[in-house]
Amino acid sequence: NAGVTQTPKFQVLKTGQSMTLQCAQDMNHEYMSWYRQDPGMGLRLIHYSVGAGITDQGEVPNGYNVSRSTTEDFPLRLLSAAPSQTSVYFCASSRETRFGENFGPGTRLTVT
Amino acid sequence: GQQLNQSPQSMFIQEGEDVSMNCTSSSIFNTWLWYKQDPGEGPVLLIALYKAGELTSNGRLTAQFGITRKDSFLNISASIPSDVGIYFCAGQRTTGTASKLTFGTGTRLQVTL
Repeated sequence: NAGVTQTPKFQVLKTGQSMTLQCAQDMNHEYMSWYRQDPGMGLRLIHYSVGAGITDQGEVPNGYNVSRSTTEDFPLRLLSAAPSQTSVYFCASSRETRFGENFGPGTRLTVT
Repeated sequence: GQQLNQSPQSMFIQEGEDVSMNCTSSSIFNTWLWYKQDPGEGPVLLIALYKAGELTSNGRLTAQFGITRKDSFLNISASIPSDVGIYFCAGQRTTGTASKLTFGTGTRLQVTL
């Protein structure tokens, strides 16, 4: 199993550009989530999904969209990038959150 | 949004020493989890705790689920250089149909020879 994979590993955007961060898992996990990690702030939940076709907002959803058309994939879209979105983004999946989430390697995003 | 309070924020210890860190919340959680993050990588689950008062070990790591369900502790015995990293606690609770994790702010551990 590849586990949770994320692409790209690094990305630089200009303010106002849009892009999609890709996330895939091959463990047949129903629960998937996106977090952002900023220095001194830990991990904050952006959006999550409890199964294909079902998504919901986390703690910091503004400026981001998600969709879940398949069990395997959970892309995160930045609609109009802003410097405040400079961060490291982690995708995670789990059978149930209480068993702990499996994290991908992260995407480091810089918005100039 | 709520984040869990972790302490200490960072610590420098010598190889062979024992380490203790804790995580506190104003809210009750159903599950406590401890993760370790190495530089440039995603967090990796170390220990999961499911019942108040539970004490669980994983090698040199021991974690406890606080009796009040509002805190948790992680101890590392006889630290080694590869223990370096950031340790995060996370609390899990179910609200309606939503089951989410809330993460602590992390404890950065440095181990010197």
